[in-house]
Amino acid sequence: TQLLEQSPQFLSIQEGENLTVYCNSSSVFSSLQWYRQEPGEGPVLLVTVVTGGEVKKLKRLTFQFGDARKDSSLHITAAQPGDTGLYLCAGPTTGTASKLTFGTGTRLQVTL
Amino acid sequence: SQTIHQWPATLVQPVGSPLSLECTVEGTSNPNLYWYRQAAGRGLQLLFYSVGIGQISSEVPQNLSASRPQDRQFILSSKKLLLSDSGFYLCAWSYPGQLSSPLHFGNGTRLTVT
Repeated sequence: TQLLEQSPQFLSIQEGENLTVYCNSSSVFSSLQWYRQEPGEGPVLLVTVVTGGEVKKLKRLTFQFGDARKDSSLHITAAQPGDTGLYLCAGPTTGTASKLTFGTGTRLQVTL
Repeated sequence: SQTIHQWPATLVQPVGSPLSLECTVEGTSNPNLYWYRQAAGRGLQLLFYSVGIGQISSEVPQNLSASRPQDRQFILSSKKLLLSDSGFYLCAWSYPGQLSSPLHFGNGTRLTVT
């Protein structure tokens, strides 16, 4: 069974601070996706990383896929209250193109 | 553009009552369709997915069932709700056959079983 463990589980920081969220597995994934979910809404895709070692930037968010494609990280620079939400990583379940395995989630709260 | 509609947004039902949650997708054909359940503030548990009309795969044995009567309609049902069925239910769609195809989620249904 593929598992994606995210850390930390919960993070509360002040506006302007930097943070990193981790997504780790003992399994190799062909790609990983990152989603952000706000309260009462469905998750929304932020980025997909496909190549080992790949780095993608989305404004103040930097996503990295591990060289061995077993882990990924999300770094936020100068966090803002609008970054508050639940961050989820997800990867294709082995043997199927139809299903995603989701991580355990990191809840981020950014305060003024 | 593609849109996904899920309703109702909130639902309070007594134990033992039936359940029907509906999800429809517009703007795409033959999508993969999914039902997920989410515990408070945590990750998503896949309940059912479908790659075509009448084709349902169940991921977790439980008190729920799913049906896909039309290409872009996905229904989650229960004959008798349990307290443990409470949660946040999310419907999603993706393009078929693409390994990195992301999921597009509805806004969810908050179900409380009392």
